Amino acid sequence: QVQLVQSGAEVKKPGASVRVSCKASGYTFTSYGISWVRQAPGQGLEWMGWISTYNGDTNYAQKFQGRVTMTTDTSTSTAYMELRSLRSDDTAVYYCARAYCLSPTCYSFDYWGQGTLVTVSS
Amino acid sequence: SYVLTQPPSVSVAPGQTARITCGGNNIGSKSVHWYQQRPGQAPVLVVYDDSVRPSGIPERFSGSNSVNTATLTISRVEAGDEADYYCQVWDSTSDPNWVFGGGTKLTVL
Repeated sequence: QVQLVQSGAEVKKPGASVRVSCKASGYTFTSYGISWVRQAPGQGLEWMGWISTYNGDTNYAQKFQGRVTMTTDTSTSTAYMELRSLRSDDTAVYYCARAYCLSPTCYSFDYWGQGTLVTVSS
Repeated sequence: SYVLTQPPSVSVAPGQTARITCGGNNIGSKSVHWYQQRPGQAPVLVVYDDSVRPSGIPERFSGSNSVNTATLTISRVEAGDEADYYCQVWDSTSDPNWVFGGGTKLTVL
């Protein structure tokens, strides 16, 4: 069965960086991209970006350009999301989700990780 | 950026039908996806491409999309359907490309 298993909760100070991992299993990793979505406490879902696990191409939301980097390691079927220069309003649960794109269209997020809570506090 | 508008809350009695709307400019020309998120859990896809149910999703969940409004309909509502529901579209001309609605809290009375 398809599973996306994320790394554990993190506590960071303002200005620091965080890297969240997302290990996929149960399917061919390079056949589907990975999107990252975050959810601040009590708030809605916010899409951050997408990475092709096939060739490493990325597509970041403008809001996060320059602060986020998404990568993959195909040898371990793992995707990573690094967010830098953390602020208190980056406190959120970060989710990875499987996301298929076939140019020029992308589709729904059919499987999600369990989420990783990142807390930014001095 | 493309904006999706959902009502903050919808309330329905058990056994009745809940309808959750998602408004957007010419949304009828886009594919709409719906997610259910129970408290403390990750979102789950319940309808994709306007009206298609993934495997394992009950037939009680259905979707439609026309002109400026997409609708998620939940028939014979059960207590376990109480959750937040989000609509989503992909828009290659927008930033961000994937857009979520603000979410609707479904309360089962």
